[in-house]
Amino acid sequence: QSVLTQPPSVSAAPGQKVTISCSGSTSNIGNNYVSWHQQLPGTAPKLLIYEHNKRPTGIPDRFSGSKSGTSATLGITGLQTGDEADYYCETWDSSLSAGVFGGGTKLTVL
Amino acid sequence: EVQLLESGGGLVQPGGSLRLSCAASGFTFSNYAMTWVRQAPGKGLEWVSGVSGSGSSSYHADSVKGRFTISRDNSKSTLYLQMNSLRAEDTAVYYCGTSKSVLVPVVFAWGQGTMVTVSS
Repeated sequence: QSVLTQPPSVSAAPGQKVTISCSGSTSNIGNNYVSWHQQLPGTAPKLLIYEHNKRPTGIPDRFSGSKSGTSATLGITGLQTGDEADYYCETWDSSLSAGVFGGGTKLTVL
Repeated sequence: EVQLLESGGGLVQPGGSLRLSCAASGFTFSNYAMTWVRQAPGKGLEWVSGVSGSGSSSYHADSVKGRFTISRDNSKSTLYLQMNSLRAEDTAVYYCGTSKSVLVPVVFAWGQGTMVTVSS
């Protein structure tokens, strides 16, 4: 299983808000920056959030990130059907000296 | 604009070797750490290997340690992954990624991926 724990799936209606959690430990989330990636079906992943809460150019402010202790959260507001995708958290693990990903969360917009 | 173009994937027999390349453009290659990430069919993302901007520090996941070697040629803006003693469980799409940091190899931008199939 993954070093970072994410719920396998979440769902919400169009226009609503959803949050995706990512739980880790002091050796990873607790002391390193967290990123979030979106993977639409059949495509390469894309960066949504870096350094806990920053958005790359072109990512709408409907997407937000936060961190508290050894957990991080991705928030998506104003859900659209085009947001249906797999979402992954990522960070560095100082004990492993390796990068780590969460197991991924499948978002369904009902 | 950052562009990362992977190549070198294909079909290889168990126990065989393969070298992946990732040609980078649109940024100063030597200023950023680089990463390989893979995704087995129907599975999630797995961080495989990372290297610092200078190439002096490299890291590998336990699942590939001793079999895979990451390297870079900053004069050619190219990242490599030498994969030896390949196993069926190494079958995956392999993505190249660039970091935002010179030292910490986590992904800031992704390539499109190259497929590696290990089968007899």
